[in-house]
Amino acid sequence: GAVVSQHPSWVICKSGTSVKIECRSLDFQATTMFWYRQFPKQSLMLMATSNEGSKATYEQGVEKDKFLINHASLTLSTLTVTSAHPEDSSFYICSAGEGTDYNEQFFGPGTRLTVL
Amino acid sequence: GQNIDQPTEMTATEGAIVQINCTYQTSGFNGLFWYQQHAGEAPTFLSYNVLDGLEEKGRFSSFLSRSKGYSYLLLKELQMKDSASYLCAVQDSNYQLIWGAGTKLIIKP
Repeated sequence: GAVVSQHPSWVICKSGTSVKIECRSLDFQATTMFWYRQFPKQSLMLMATSNEGSKATYEQGVEKDKFLINHASLTLSTLTVTSAHPEDSSFYICSAGEGTDYNEQFFGPGTRLTVL
Repeated sequence: GQNIDQPTEMTATEGAIVQINCTYQTSGFNGLFWYQQHAGEAPTFLSYNVLDGLEEKGRFSSFLSRSKGYSYLLLKELQMKDSASYLCAVQDSNYQLIWGAGTKLIIKP
């Protein structure tokens, strides 16, 4: 099946720094990638939808200037958490859909971010 | 608004059968997914239903009734490794996934 990777798996950073998380589709071209955030014991919360070559569509309440998303190619999307704060500590998961009729999303393994 | 409801937590015995229900109200419908998520890990795909009826895949089966806005995931011959959260998600008219809060399944020996 389709494989999506994320890097890094986990990261610890100081408050005020920026962190970049990469999401790659390894064996297929992902027209659309999704970024989710999951706090402990809560369900996945969609942050933004990223389409290759265009600006990401952010969900209500998600600050686009804080969570920068770049989908420069059909196999790579990046999420940069700028000026991270402890409340940004969370599990960030990306998923990718193949083609335009993306009936199934393939999930990356997730990135655990801890901001001190 | 869009809403997915599933029980918060369920407990079952090893070797038994458990049914996890999911009801939904969404803007359009393009399929319903069940995912399994172990603590600290990303979700893994279990099943996809877009037509009414039962889809069987090994020990897991998923049922859908579009007219009732209802689905269930049936797990048979439960094993300890089945202890996880089970997430129901519906793809709306824009093909966006709307997620339920998940059902934490606890398996007891």
